[in-house]
Amino acid sequence: EAGVAQSPRYKIIEKRQSVAFWCNPISGHATLYWYQQILGQGPKLLIQFQNNGVVDDSQLPKDRFSAERLKGVDSTLKIQPAKLEDSAVYLCASSALGQNNSPLHFGNGTRLTVT
Amino acid sequence: AQSVAQPEDQVNVAEGNPLTVKCTYSVSGNPYLFWYVQYPNRGLQFLLKYITGDNLVKGSYGFEAEFNKSQTSFHLKKPSALVSDSALYFCAVRGRSSASKIIFGSGTRLSIRP
Repeated sequence: EAGVAQSPRYKIIEKRQSVAFWCNPISGHATLYWYQQILGQGPKLLIQFQNNGVVDDSQLPKDRFSAERLKGVDSTLKIQPAKLEDSAVYLCASSALGQNNSPLHFGNGTRLTVT
Repeated sequence: AQSVAQPEDQVNVAEGNPLTVKCTYSVSGNPYLFWYVQYPNRGLQFLLKYITGDNLVKGSYGFEAEFNKSQTSFHLKKPSALVSDSALYFCAVRGRSSASKIIFGSGTRLSIRP
């Protein structure tokens, strides 16, 4: 099966600019996650979708971050405006529907550098 | 609140020797526990998980992990390390309620010297 696809792989922007990341999960996976991984740390959940609905966005900085999954398949994460501390790898993951013991399948991530 | 700790930032092992990467957790009730591996410039890859039953779980690439409820630990092990095992390893925990989210540890860098 094809894995989780993410683009772009790398992005460099200046602070206060905007940026968007795209993710296409494994076919048939209803649950989609966006994680932020800062260098030297474990991934931190930003938002979780079940189909096209938001399950958890409690750690999403909503003043600058937004995400959507309009048709319940692919998803976009946006940052506007970016800050220096947003420099990180943004990982998308997907899992099969509705089971807490389902492993997550990760994409290769987008490395964002904010200067 | 859920939490997971990986007390060692780095573990160094000679090739052919056994390796252990430590993980302890805190969660209400019985947990689901996971190990993931991350190679440079790649996303995390699932290695193994504990759901219930046998405390020794076997996973990919010859890795196994031992669940110890009394010590709230889930250490990753391999009897004979390979240089290709060098990578970043993450332990993760999730509760069994529908509202529970998966929490990752801070990671342990495993370095296998030839």
